[in-house]
Amino acid sequence: VQLVQSGAEVKKPGESLKISCKASGYSFTNKWIGWVRQMPGKGLEWMGSIYPDDSGTKYNPSFQGQVTISADKSINTAYLRWSNLRASDTAMYFCARLTWATNTYYIYYFDYWGQGTLVTVSS
Amino acid sequence: AIQMTQFPSSLSASVGDRVTISCRASQGIRNELGWYQQKPGKAPKILIYATSSLQSGVPSRFSGSGSGTEFTLTISSLQPEDFASYYCLQDYEFPWTFGQGTKVELK
Repeated sequence: VQLVQSGAEVKKPGESLKISCKASGYSFTNKWIGWVRQMPGKGLEWMGSIYPDDSGTKYNPSFQGQVTISADKSINTAYLRWSNLRASDTAMYFCARLTWATNTYYIYYFDYWGQGTLVTVSS
Repeated sequence: AIQMTQFPSSLSASVGDRVTISCRASQGIRNELGWYQQKPGKAPKILIYATSSLQSGVPSRFSGSGSGTEFTLTISSLQPEDFASYYCLQDYEFPWTFGQGTKVELK
């Protein structure tokens, strides 16, 4: 299993951006992919997740409307897109595969991670 | 959203020490909690899922316990490669939330 993310980006406020996460080594459509933000020197924040088979999404309300998560199952790739970047979007962004353990309910966890994409937004 | 309070935020320890990191949830989350290790400049790595299940390939010196609102990650004998930051993550309810992190440093 591998998740390979697109390279570092330097953008100006107000610009748009789409970063990618290409999966290999497993059936892409059968596992959720999540995105996690890490601002400089700070902790981890779950942004949202997508199920590539039907592109169903779950968003953290803190990020809803600020980013769009999508997937193209024909090329095993998930995306994170901004239409109007802000300086506060400067961060490292990780994609990660979700798997699950079962009890009488599902218990999810991120078992494989991309290497991260550093996004810098500065005028 | 469920708040995950993780403590301590940092600790200093020596090789061989027993280390305990805690997470407290603002409401019950059954056993739907995982622990992640992150080294500088690297992606996080899963250590423990479902509160106490050790991920394949993770050394047995790592263990997790708890239920409901109180959870603990224990490193039984700290090794040089364990100096890193550690995060808990609850997946009981959306939005999933991480603890603030614990940085384990060399004393």
